[in-house]
Amino acid sequence: GENVEQHPSTLSVQEGDSAVIKCTYSDSASNYFPWYKQELGKRPQLIIDIRSNVGEKKDQRIAVTLNKTAKHFSLHITETQPEDSAVYFCAASTTGTASKLTFGTGTRLQVTL
Amino acid sequence: GAGVSQTPSNKVTEKGKYVELRCDPISGHTALYWYRQSLGQGPEFLIYFQGTGAADDSGLPNDRFFAVRPEGSVSTLKIQRTERGDSAVYLCASSGGRGSTDTQYFGPGTRLTVL
Repeated sequence: GENVEQHPSTLSVQEGDSAVIKCTYSDSASNYFPWYKQELGKRPQLIIDIRSNVGEKKDQRIAVTLNKTAKHFSLHITETQPEDSAVYFCAASTTGTASKLTFGTGTRLQVTL
Repeated sequence: GAGVSQTPSNKVTEKGKYVELRCDPISGHTALYWYRQSLGQGPEFLIYFQGTGAADDSGLPNDRFFAVRPEGSVSTLKIQRTERGDSAVYLCASSGGRGSTDTQYFGPGTRLTVL
């Protein structure tokens, strides 16, 4: 089955700096890659996703890149703010439609003033 | 509109007892998923329903775990003979509305503690 690895496990940046979180996946059939943000004690919330037919997607301060050949995808947050502090999870899905997500182990992002 | 809801928010039980966890998906969503999240880990897939049927139950850890979705909306996750290792947050998600059918929207979870 699919295996998703995520790095780093913790990341501390100063407010205004950029943060990058990287994931790798094992199943070449995976074609849907969402990113979720989870604040302490809260539900995971989708912040951005990408499908395998594109290499990059942006939404304001957030961007995701995908390298299908290398089976890598990354989350980029620019101009970080204290409210960006949370745990971020990457995930991969094999069919992209009503299919289970395999999650990474998470990255705890701390944005300091 | 209303998001995914789950009840109870917290459940404390004793080892060996039976528990039921409920999930109300977003109205109109055809797919419903159950995940389990242990402390410091990502959600781990358990089972998903497409309509009333279990389309994939490969994540259920053993036969003590069972889930139903009899009318294609609300789902119940049932755990028999609970063990301390079952303690975790059980998350429900739904997808399949208009627009992106891939996006899974999560509920707040039920925190299960087995003493």
